[in-house]
Amino acid sequence: QQQVKQSPQSLIVQKGGISIINCAYENTAFDYFPWYQQFPGKGPALLIAIRPDVSEKKEGRFTISFNKSAKQFSLHIMDSQPGDSATYFCAADAGGTSYGKLTFGQGTILTVHP
Amino acid sequence: GAVVSQHPSWVICKSGTSVKIECRSLDFQATTMFWYRQFPKQSLMLMATSNEGSKATYEQGVEKDKFLINHASLTLSTLTVTSAHPEDSSFYICSARDWKVNTEAFFGQGTRLTVV
Repeated sequence: QQQVKQSPQSLIVQKGGISIINCAYENTAFDYFPWYQQFPGKGPALLIAIRPDVSEKKEGRFTISFNKSAKQFSLHIMDSQPGDSATYFCAADAGGTSYGKLTFGQGTILTVHP
Repeated sequence: GAVVSQHPSWVICKSGTSVKIECRSLDFQATTMFWYRQFPKQSLMLMATSNEGSKATYEQGVEKDKFLINHASLTLSTLTVTSAHPEDSSFYICSARDWKVNTEAFFGQGTRLTVV
């Protein structure tokens, strides 16, 4: 019940294309859903995050779509660039006294070809 | 944004020795820090929650006697891998949240531990 399932495992996109990564969760106690970008040998960096009371959030080229009834959320990267090539993780946080304690998806390795 | 610093960035140690990893919040106070472990090409798995002034809370399956956590101040948590073995080789990452401000948890840059 604590799992967050992420797909696809890897993704190859041409420069300028749209990258889409999907996540699903079971635990309805989750109330904060961040996406992280990680480069090899580095810690994860927050890209964008959303709460369940919002169905979509956009920041620059990054958009989160959230479907509360389906317990699914996705990351869309518009106009993908070679510099976006990295591993992306979705995560979920149950908040309350556990705020900051994250359950991560399995990760998606994104490769953007020039 | 808030900065979380880990030290060292990488360490190589001999099997049977102990290694200490530090996690510092540089510009904010963190009553709680989190320690994660990441094997190559895998996701981050939460090991323990480090609470300032009290005992850490370990996730199921994590040996608390092997992974000692100390959170002695509001800006520093340490993870000590005791009697390290090659299977402990991994990427260890901490995160911290500024509890005075409703913001996300910030991650350190990680520590690559190699046990030979």
